[in-house]
Amino acid sequence: DAKTTQPNSMESNEEEPVHLPCNHSTISGTDYIHWYRQLPSQGPEYVIHGLTSNVNNRMASLAIAEDRKSSTLILHRATLRDAAVYYCILRPAGGTSYGKLTFGQGTILTVHP
Amino acid sequence: NAGVTQTPKFRILKIGQSMTLQCTQDMNHNYMYWYRQDPGMGLKLIYYSVGAGITDKGEVPNGYNVSRSTTEDFPLRLELAAPSQTSVYFCASFPRQGHGGANVLTFGAGSRLTVL
Repeated sequence: DAKTTQPNSMESNEEEPVHLPCNHSTISGTDYIHWYRQLPSQGPEYVIHGLTSNVNNRMASLAIAEDRKSSTLILHRATLRDAAVYYCILRPAGGTSYGKLTFGQGTILTVHP
Repeated sequence: NAGVTQTPKFRILKIGQSMTLQCTQDMNHNYMYWYRQDPGMGLKLIYYSVGAGITDKGEVPNGYNVSRSTTEDFPLRLELAAPSQTSVYFCASFPRQGHGGANVLTFGAGSRLTVL
């Protein structure tokens, strides 16, 4: 299974941009990059995903390196409600590995008022 | 839609007791998962299922059993509970192959289990 590596923790101030990195050097050509976040005492929730091109949605932006070996989740203006654990995972497009979805440690984001 | 529903939300077990964590989804998702999360740690995959009648081990399957008799339900059985199984358990579901990258995991709210 392709694995991801993220920093254990990051800190930000409220209303400042946050860039959360993820390394996935063993990514295959058809793996999607997915980001989830887990708010305190809740189950994880989907944030954003991408394959090759950068992506934007109402929650965040995803910047994917040209060689796809790393990606960055961008929160444009952090709020206190963005304090969570952020997980980057790889999701195969198909094949026998399609369903086996594993998570790493994630990055604990602390947002200071 | 209710999404993914887990019961119970909280449970305290004595060492050696057994119990079943229930998980049901109403999205007609083929894939279902059980993860555990120890304090301050990430999610570890226990078991997953790719459809009714088909299950497979994840990263930490020892001490657990699962079954998948219907598309909707994926119960997790703990036999002979041990303190090491104290954790928060999350059930999740995922659509079948296809739909490109839009398929995403939907999680339940979690079941907090303490074994004393």
